[in-house]
Amino acid sequence: EAGVTQFPSHSVIEKGQTVTLRCDPISGHDNLYWYRRVMGKEIKFLLHFVKESKQDESGMPNNRFLAERTGGTYSTLKVQPAELEDSGVYFCASSHWGAGPQETQYFGPGTRLLVL
Amino acid sequence: DQQVKQNSPSLSVQEGRISILNCDYTNSMFDYFLWYKKYPAEGPTFLISISSIKDKNEDGRFTVFLNKSAKHLSLHIVPSQPGDSAVYFCAASESNDYKLSFGAGTTVTVRA
Repeated sequence: EAGVTQFPSHSVIEKGQTVTLRCDPISGHDNLYWYRRVMGKEIKFLLHFVKESKQDESGMPNNRFLAERTGGTYSTLKVQPAELEDSGVYFCASSHWGAGPQETQYFGPGTRLLVL
Repeated sequence: DQQVKQNSPSLSVQEGRISILNCDYTNSMFDYFLWYKKYPAEGPTFLISISSIKDKNEDGRFTVFLNKSAKHLSLHIVPSQPGDSAVYFCAASESNDYKLSFGAGTTVTVRA
């Protein structure tokens, strides 16, 4: 079974530019999450999709971030315009709907974003 | 604002000895706790979890202890092996809440 995949693995952009990150969850996983780790600090929750619906977007830092999951399969996270403080590692995770919140979340390898 | 804290950024242990990683939390509503392990350039992988109705959970060389009154949990790895060298994240969640709150991680180095 293929794991969670993320593209690109690295992205270097200039302040003010736009970047779109993509996540492909494990097949059949209805839950999809985005997290971010900045400067070696804690991993912070951004948002949670159930299929194509945003279940919880309480962690989204501001309206420069837009997440979508059209069709309930892969998801994209767009940052527009990017700021220096957006640099970090963006992780995507997915889990079964199954037994509820305690279903294991499986993480992708992350996208390393550097805004210059 | 950080509700899960790992106050030791790094730990060095000799192969074969015990590794003890600590984690404190401030949110009394947390009732499910997890440890994730992360190798460089990879995503975190689930290691072990514990529900608040228990005070200990064991899986092979890994044991997690929970002290609810102290809002503290720990991960014991016995015996430590070179492949255990990684960053370990403590995480927690509330009932019916899917989001995980993570600590900043502890880098474990197992010396031969």
